[in-house]
Amino acid sequence: DTGVSQNPRHKITKRGQNVTFRCDPISEHNRLYWYRQTLGQGPEFLTYFQNEAQLEKSRLLSDRFSAERPKGSFSTLEIQRTEQGDSAMYLCASSLGLGQGNTEAFFGQGTRLTVV
Amino acid sequence: DQQVKQNSPSLSVQEGRISILNCDYTNSMFDYFLWYKKYPAEGPTFLISISSIKDKNEDGRFTVFLNKSAKHLSLHIVPSQPGDSAVYFCAARITQGGSEKLVFGKGTKLTVNP
Repeated sequence: DTGVSQNPRHKITKRGQNVTFRCDPISEHNRLYWYRQTLGQGPEFLTYFQNEAQLEKSRLLSDRFSAERPKGSFSTLEIQRTEQGDSAMYLCASSLGLGQGNTEAFFGQGTRLTVV
Repeated sequence: DQQVKQNSPSLSVQEGRISILNCDYTNSMFDYFLWYKKYPAEGPTFLISISSIKDKNEDGRFTVFLNKSAKHLSLHIVPSQPGDSAVYFCAARITQGGSEKLVFGKGTKLTVNP
């Protein structure tokens, strides 16, 4: 399977615990994005990487959230001191750069986080 | 502020008929518009896109129309099939200062009845 891969698919954690999610993008894609989706809403942008550089962070990304993309390949999203409001589907997407004839971002299947 | 709006939360059509899903946007800086389809517990799947300099793009049963003056786009599915039943998201791409991102609407749940 050469699509975007996210692990784990589901995570249940107690409030106050730290969690980390992993995303493996499509191998030749240099753009990587994290989104969050809650019930009844569309995906909301969290952060964007071009290769290993994090070029934009949404104000939704509080200081409890941190994302990395070492070596410009896979990415991790960590949430520290989880709160019940963090419960959501966390989506990762990747794409080729501008000017390469491709505009679409391909999404993984998401990580469903439940904070109890 | 919601920059991409899908005002119909749901739509129901008969198999074989046309499905028309609508989307409005407010930001003139959007350069591409995309439609994604989403099944429960899965990530969004790309369907079709259109550049802001075009007014129509067609791919098989799917056609997207863009009216820039009205800041409106629509997705036509002809003929509709039961397997098309899903939530459809309209998304708009913006690129600023070396960054790019998609802004999504809240989605329209399409049900195609056999």
